[in-house]
Amino acid sequence: DQQVKQNSPSLSVQEGRISILNCDYTNSMFDYFLWYKKYPAEGPTFLISISSIKDKNEDGRFTVFLNKSAKHLSLHIVPSQPGDSAVYFCVPRGSTLGRLYFGRGTQLTVWP
Amino acid sequence: NAGVTQTPKFRILKIGQSMTLQCTQDMNHNYMYWYRQDPGMGLKLIYYSVGAGITDKGEVPNGYNVSRSTTEDFPLRLELAAPSQTSVYFCATHHSGNTIYFGEGSWLTVV
Repeated sequence: DQQVKQNSPSLSVQEGRISILNCDYTNSMFDYFLWYKKYPAEGPTFLISISSIKDKNEDGRFTVFLNKSAKHLSLHIVPSQPGDSAVYFCVPRGSTLGRLYFGRGTQLTVWP
Repeated sequence: NAGVTQTPKFRILKIGQSMTLQCTQDMNHNYMYWYRQDPGMGLKLIYYSVGAGITDKGEVPNGYNVSRSTTEDFPLRLELAAPSQTSVYFCATHHSGNTIYFGEGSWLTVV
């Protein structure tokens, strides 16, 4: 029973353009949404988050949008850089004990 | 990944053997987690702990055991290793904020 779905396993974008990574979830009790980035042979690292009471959060080149009615969120990266090439995980957080729910991830490749 | 140390980084086990994955953190965080990541999949929670002396099962606890005798350490024990336990294991910690810190991972192969 997958509560978090990242339906695009991969995304390829040219350097300088916008990358949009999408995520859908089923559990309306999620109160916080995090995005993690993961390079090969490393642990995931925190990128950006958004509270369920907001619809947008921006941090430099990264913006996360939340549409609660559609149970959908997206991560925008503008402009994309080759160093952004990594696997991105959409990670809703349950209200109980900070429990995290990981999607399968989207492999982003930014080419020059 | 500063502050969360996992050992060993790589290990090959034979079916039926046992081993312990070590996780140590120096951030004085209350919450600690063990996740596994199978190829092409997201991370799945094995066990977690909300503080010393307290542990609880996650989504996929079968075949594993944990203990939390100190705030710093959260070892994961594999008893009677099976090929299905071939995976990458991540330890993570969290305090009161929204950021969870992961270790670098431990690659385990059971043959």
